[in-house]
Amino acid sequence: QVQLVQSGVEVKKPGASVKVSCRASGYTFTDYYMYWVRQAPGQGLEWMGWINPKSGGTNYAQRFQGRVTMTRDTSITTAYMELSRLRSDDTAVYYCCMGPGERIFGVVRAYYMDVWGKGTTVTVSS
Amino acid sequence: EIVLTQSPGTLSLSPGERATLSCRASQSVSSKYLAWYQQKPGQAPRLLIYGASTRATGIPDRFSGSGSGTDFTLTISRLESEDFAVYYCQQYGSSLYTFGQGTKLEIK
Repeated sequence: QVQLVQSGVEVKKPGASVKVSCRASGYTFTDYYMYWVRQAPGQGLEWMGWINPKSGGTNYAQRFQGRVTMTRDTSITTAYMELSRLRSDDTAVYYCCMGPGERIFGVVRAYYMDVWGKGTTVTVSS
Repeated sequence: EIVLTQSPGTLSLSPGERATLSCRASQSVSSKYLAWYQQKPGQAPRLLIYGASTRATGIPDRFSGSGSGTDFTLTISRLESEDFAVYYCQQYGSSLYTFGQGTKLEIK
């Protein structure tokens, strides 16, 4: 079955960077865009961006541009999300997710997300 | 960017009652690109409805979605104890995605 397994808890100081991984299995990794969504404590879901695992192309939500970098390693079917210049309000659970949608140049861009990782808790504190 | 506004923020109901949750978009959204999720504490979101009205695999038929354009609704016909959770709508358009701020469904 399709599974997304994320890396473990991270504790970082303000100004540092964090890199979260998401290992995919059960499907062809390069056939589906991968998405990152975060959720601050007690808050709602916030879409951060996506990566096309085939081409490496990315699209980031405007509020994260300049601070977020999404990459992938197709040899180990793993996607990464790196967030730099961390602030206390970056404390959140970070999810990777994917889902069905429209096929664009051989890669499916999701309409919605039906597979989610369990989330990675990132705490930013001095 | 399309903004999704959910109402009410909190809905207090009893088991067996009917729940009606609203999601309003700042611009028209194709029904094909509107989804609903349920989230319980400590868990990842779970897809309930996609294409505005199609139930995801394994979702009970007491859950239904409707709407078009800028107004969408999630209805739970008869609440069961496991339905008390937070619900989010989500849209996709022009390579961007947004979520509503959520509706918390709590036991009265």
